[in-house]
Formats: sequence, structure tokens, C-alpha cells
Amino acid sequence: GDSVTQMEGPVTLSEEAFLTINCTYTATGYPSLFWYVQYPGEGLQLLLKATKADDKGSNKGFEATYRKETTSFHLEKGSVQVSDSAVYFCALTGNTGKLIFGQGTTLQVKP
Amino acid sequence: EPEVTQTPSHQVTQMGQEVILRCVPISNHLYFYWYRQILGQKVEFLVSFYNNEISEKSEIFDDQFSVERPDGSNFTLKIRSTKLEDSAMYFCASSLGQKDSPLHFGNGTRLTVT
Repeated sequence: GDSVTQMEGPVTLSEEAFLTINCTYTATGYPSLFWYVQYPGEGLQLLLKATKADDKGSNKGFEATYRKETTSFHLEKGSVQVSDSAVYFCALTGNTGKLIFGQGTTLQVKP
Repeated sequence: EPEVTQTPSHQVTQMGQEVILRCVPISNHLYFYWYRQILGQKVEFLVSFYNNEISEKSEIFDDQFSVERPDGSNFTLKIRSTKLEDSAMYFCASSLGQKDSPLHFGNGTRLTVT
């Protein structure tokens, strides 16, 4: 069945460092891809999405490109801030609309 | 911006008791979902609901679980006889449509079964 695999965490970075969180997927058909973020004590918030191959989703300085050839949707940010500390979830939806999540990657940004 | 609201934020119950978790989805959304997240683990799909019926459910969603949309605004998850392993964060979500429409999540209900 459809699945999402993310890099293991936690990821610890200094402020202003470059961030990459790897995400790969397995799916039949043409899924839509998402990154969700969960700040401490809060629910899941949509960060960005891409609905077809080569689309780039971007929001709040984060971006990810839908790569069909490598079945990947890696999350990047050029300069992280302490406020970016959170858990990041890569996810996909197939034709049913059900969202399938990766295991989440914890990001800690230190001043 | 409209949001999904869940109550209560934290529920403590004894094993074997029934619990009802409540959600108010975004008003013009048509699809409703429940997910759960056991502490330290991934977010797992439980059930999706559309047009007043279950459209898909996972193997986790056994006969102990049920969902209902009792009126035009609420969406509830009932666990009939809770087990210790039901302790988790339960998230409600809603969306406008399938596939390309992002899910909007509530802040979750932390269920603790003792």
C-alpha cells in the first residue's frame, strides 16, 4: 500500500543553518504531497503542498519539490529560526483523500 | 480563519468505560476524519466520513469504535469500552474534497486510559 518514509530525527541545528528533511514515498497513481508541522502542544498545521510532478510548494521560507523520478518531496529552508522548532510530517493523499503520514521528524533549533 | 475545534482537550477515563470525543469541523467542509497519535509514534488514520456514512476505515477502527454526525455541526468519535492501548492523542480533521484538498486539523484530544 501507499507509504511515506522520513529521515530519522531529532535534527538539531543552530539558528540560520540550512535545513533539509528527507521524505520519500511509495504510491500507486499520482498522489498529492504535503508537509505538515506540529508545534509543541498544538495540532497539525499544513505547511505546504504540491499536487503534481515538478510542482514546488513553499510557505514561510520552507519549500519542497515533487520529484516523481525519485519519489521524493524533501523539505528545505535556507535559514532556520528558533521558532521553527517543531515536528515535521511528510504526507500523501491518494485518490480516496485519506492522508498517510510519515513518522515525523523533530527539529530543534538552538540560538 | 475558520478552524476545526475539538473538546475536551484532555480526557482521563478508566479501562472499560465509554468515551465520546467531540469535534466541530469547518462549516463548509464535506469530508471528516479521525486520526490518532500514540505518544512518540506516527499519526495513524482511523476513519473517514462523507455524506453521512463511513467512506473508509483502517484495521484499527474495529467494533469498539464508531463515528457519528448527530447534527449539522458536530462529528464525534465513540470508543465503547476503552483499553489501555487506546491512550493517545486523537485528531479530528476536515476537508473540502478529495486528494488535492488539504486536511485541516483540530488541536486534538489527549485520551488517557487508566
